[in-house]
Amino acid sequence: AQSVSQHNHHVILSEAASLELGCNYSYGGTVNLFWYVQYPGQHLQLLLKYFSGDPLVKGIKGFEAEFIKSKFSFNLRKPSVQWSDTAEYFCAVNAEGSQGNLIFGKGTKLSVKP
Amino acid sequence: NAGVTQTPKFQVLKTGQSMTLQCAQDMNHEYMSWYRQDPGMGLRLIHYSVGAGITDQGEVPNGYNVSRSTTEDFPLRLLSAAPSQTSVYFCASSLGQGALNTEAFFGQGTRLTVV
Repeated sequence: AQSVSQHNHHVILSEAASLELGCNYSYGGTVNLFWYVQYPGQHLQLLLKYFSGDPLVKGIKGFEAEFIKSKFSFNLRKPSVQWSDTAEYFCAVNAEGSQGNLIFGKGTKLSVKP
Repeated sequence: NAGVTQTPKFQVLKTGQSMTLQCAQDMNHEYMSWYRQDPGMGLRLIHYSVGAGITDQGEVPNGYNVSRSTTEDFPLRLLSAAPSQTSVYFCASSLGQGALNTEAFFGQGTRLTVV
């Protein structure tokens, strides 16, 4: 079965620190990849997506992610985090043949200390 | 555009009660789905639909029913609520019947507590 793994359950950083959240998926075919953010008490918002082409994807709020097909990875990065980035981050995969169903990782909580 | 609209936003049920969570989208999307979000579990797919009249089970369908009589609406029914169904429920829609290269749009969520 397809699965998505997020390596860190909770990450605590100070403001201005760099961020990298890991995401690996298990599917050998064509995939679409997504990162969503959920601020406390809010719904999911799309940060960025990868469909095809340039494996380095830039999203909103200064986030970017790199698709490395050989490693089945789609890690999220931000050079300098802010207190307002405190949220939970979800990686998700839509795999060819899955009828459009998104498979989500279990999420990573990011806490940024001011 | 309203996008994906879920009602209610909050609900408290007693064990054994039934209720319907409403989901409507105004983007003419063929694909709609329901997820539940539990702490430490991410989002898990309950049911989905690739078009009017077509529904199928996801990862955690037990205790839930769905129907899709129109393109716009995809209600989720709890027939006999149980405390294990306490969760936050999200409805999503996307263009295309399960095609790749489409983005899912999520509703605001319904926070359900079963006591």
